[in-house]
Order: sequence, then C-alpha cells, then structure tokens
Amino acid sequence: QVHLQESGPGLVKASGTLSLTCTVSGVSVSSNNYYWSWIRQPPGKELEWIGNIYYTGSTNYNPSLRRRVSISLDTSENQFYLILTSMTAADAAVYYCARDTFYQSGRLDPWGQGTLVTVSS
Amino acid sequence: DIQMTQSPSSVSASVGDTVTITCRASQVISNWLAWYQQPPGKAPQLLIFPSSTLQTGVPSRFSGSGSGTDFTLTISSLQPEDFATYYCQQSNSFPYTFGQGTKLQIK
Repeated sequence: QVHLQESGPGLVKASGTLSLTCTVSGVSVSSNNYYWSWIRQPPGKELEWIGNIYYTGSTNYNPSLRRRVSISLDTSENQFYLILTSMTAADAAVYYCARDTFYQSGRLDPWGQGTLVTVSS
Repeated sequence: DIQMTQSPSSVSASVGDTVTITCRASQVISNWLAWYQQPPGKAPQLLIFPSSTLQTGVPSRFSGSGSGTDFTLTISSLQPEDFATYYCQQSNSFPYTFGQGTKLQIK
C-alpha cells in the first residue's frame, strides 16, 4: 500500500524559508512511472498545484511560485522535498504531497494527510 | 494558465438524491480532467481520471463525462458519506489547475 506523509515546521516567520519533507512508503521515488507533487490549500480556499519532480530530477513549477520554489528528491531516503523562500501571510496553507502518474500525468493519487503551515509576523 | 470554473459553488441535497456538478475549462483540455472528493478536514481523494474513468474502489454511483471544455460529475443515490467538497482539476498542460470547489451539503 502506497503512503505519503508530510513533515516540517508548522510555523514559519514572514520573509523566512519553508522546508517540508514528504516520506514515501510502498513505492520507490526512483520509479520511472511517477512524478512527485506538492499542492497547497489556504484555509477555506481552493487547491493550488505547486510543482512536481521526476526521478531524474527534472521539475515542473507553477509560474506563480517559480522564483521562490524548489523541489528535490533523495532516492536513498525515499523522500522528496519542498523549499519555499520569502514566505508571506499569503503562503499560509495546508501543504500536501501526492503521487502523480508519469504516463497519465495529472492523476494525483494518493495524497498525504497534509501539514498546516502558519506564517508569523 | 487554464482556468477551471465549477458550478454550482454549493448545493444542498438529501440522501437518495442525484446531484450534478459541472466544470468548464477556459480552453480545450481533451479528456485530461480529474475529479476529487475532499471531506472536511481531510485530504482530497481521487474519484475519476481521466474524465469518465472511475478509480478502483470508488462506488459506481459516481460517474463523470465530457471532453474538450465541458465536464460533469454526477452522484446518484446520495449517501451520507458523499457530503463533502468536490474539485475538478485539469492536467492538459502545466501548471495543473483546480476549480474553486463545489460544497455538497445535506438539506
């Protein structure tokens, strides 16, 4: 059974950097069948796709965040990561990681349970 | 970016009713459309992808249709566990984009 779990600080200072980890079990992040994605959801708002990474290290980012975001992976740890710099109140959200299917991209399944990130001033 | 517009934004229905949610893309996306269900306080769960293919384990009362720019999600014979928020999402091109959501409430 495939399982994803987000971890990281729940509180980040404004202008600071968010670092999140997604730990994957039940499948290898080095599989050529999948992308690995980050998505976020501000409280009470809709979902926003942040970006994804393929096992080769190739990435796709949302242009709205491209200057501030970086996604990487560690095959030895079976984890992938999100870094978001220059945090503001607008970045407060529940952050989810999810598996995406390479050959039918956009099939986000499963998702992690999500981690709430608050931005302090 | 491709804009996804869902309607209605909320709907009230009773157990046993049939509900239809629509999703319109700002440009043609072929059938690269997913539907997700998000119960309150939980992560989204994939129901349908692409467009009309029900995922394993999803009850057959859920169905999807459409291609091009117009899509629908129909839930027949509503069950108590179906009351949640539903999102459509396109994957025809990056960045993936989601609709604003449709909240299905108990009448």
